[in-house]
Amino acid sequence: GQNIDQPTEMTATEGAIVQINCTYQTSGFNGLFWYQQHAGEAPTFLSYNVLDGLEEKGRFSSFLSRSKGYSYLLLKELQMKDSASYLCAVTQAGGYQKVTFGTGTKLQVIP
Amino acid sequence: DAGITQSPRHKVTETGTPVTLRCHQTENHRYMYWYRQDPGHGLRLIHYSYGVKDTDKGEVSDGYSVSRSKTEDFLLTLESATSSQTSVYFCAISEPTSEEGNEQFFGPGTRLTVL
Repeated sequence: GQNIDQPTEMTATEGAIVQINCTYQTSGFNGLFWYQQHAGEAPTFLSYNVLDGLEEKGRFSSFLSRSKGYSYLLLKELQMKDSASYLCAVTQAGGYQKVTFGTGTKLQVIP
Repeated sequence: DAGITQSPRHKVTETGTPVTLRCHQTENHRYMYWYRQDPGHGLRLIHYSYGVKDTDKGEVSDGYSVSRSKTEDFLLTLESATSSQTSVYFCAISEPTSEEGNEQFFGPGTRLTVL
């Protein structure tokens, strides 16, 4: 089976840095996605990590440790528009590349 | 943005009636997926397709069927809708590549209410 854990809700201040953690237990792990989903909208792709380490894309960075079953999404210089849910999703090798989503972390950015 | 649309966007129906949701893509992607999203459960895979007429079940397939007669269209049918199928339904597409882990692009979603 698979298990993905991430905090349900977080609050952070505009301009600050926030780290959203995701832990997972899965067989045949291949990689890990982060998606952003604004309320009432579709998820949109943020990042995909396969190898250990940190990948940076502008204000957003994503980290993966395969040995620890752990990832985090780091958001810098928070803006009000970053208020959204952030979905962690793991992929398994083989076949159609099965993707399993966590329940998401709802981030509220306050002034 | 990927060219992916869903219809209808909103639907209210009664228990026991059949319902069909349509997903249409213009990207010629091979894989198509149907998910449902409910509070506390996240996105859960209902069915997926890996080509025309090639489909398989996901983790919550009971009560749902799918069809894919053309690359661009993937239909989700609730044969006899129940209140437990009230949800937001998302279609997604992806194309197998060696990069970006087969990122999935999502449609705008369909909000279905079964009374």
